Amino acid sequence: AQSVTQPDIHITVSEGASLELRCNYSYGATPYLFWYVQSPGQGLQLLLKYFSGDTLVQGIKGFEAEFKRSQSSFNLRKPSVHWSDAAEYFCAVGALDTGRRALTFGSGTRLQVQP
Amino acid sequence: DAGVIQSPRHEVTEMGQEVTLRCKPISGHDYLFWYRQTMMRGLELLIYFNNNVPIDDSGMPEDRFSAKMPNASFSTLKIQPSEPRDSAVYFCASSSRDGGQETQYFGPGTRLLVL
Repeated sequence: AQSVTQPDIHITVSEGASLELRCNYSYGATPYLFWYVQSPGQGLQLLLKYFSGDTLVQGIKGFEAEFKRSQSSFNLRKPSVHWSDAAEYFCAVGALDTGRRALTFGSGTRLQVQP
Repeated sequence: DAGVIQSPRHEVTEMGQEVTLRCKPISGHDYLFWYRQTMMRGLELLIYFNNNVPIDDSGMPEDRFSAKMPNASFSTLKIQPSEPRDSAVYFCASSSRDGGQETQYFGPGTRLLVL
């Protein structure tokens, strides 16, 4: 069974600083990987996704993520954080080839942005 | 497209009452998922449908929970009788497989409080 670990429960960065949110997955085959963002009281919005090909994927709002098979990681990055980025971020893994189509989510990382 | 639509957005009820949550998936999507989000367990799958047929209901907590999808544009999740431990945010998501890729899009969620 697949699993996702987000080691950082809470991160605080200053506005304008760079950001990296960590995500490690466990899955026997090639995973499909996603990052979603959840603002307070809101649903989950897709930031970016990886299925195959180029291991560096670009998403919305200036975010990018890099798939590293050797490290089983899919870390999310942003070069300069804006106050509006404060939210909770979820990494998720999908596994279509197992026939189980549901996503497995990490526990989330809450991002706080200091002025 | 309007995205995934869920209603109600908020529901407060008393223990023992019946609760019905509703979801309208994105038009053309043939998969529909129900997830539940709690502080203790995070985001977890309850059930998912393919072409209106339930495929995996292994996440449904107990017989008090039931889900239906009478047609391609509507699904319900019912809790009867409700209990305080059912308090959570319930998300509906839909997806379709496009060229080997499948991305789930989430609704805004229903915040349920059972007193």
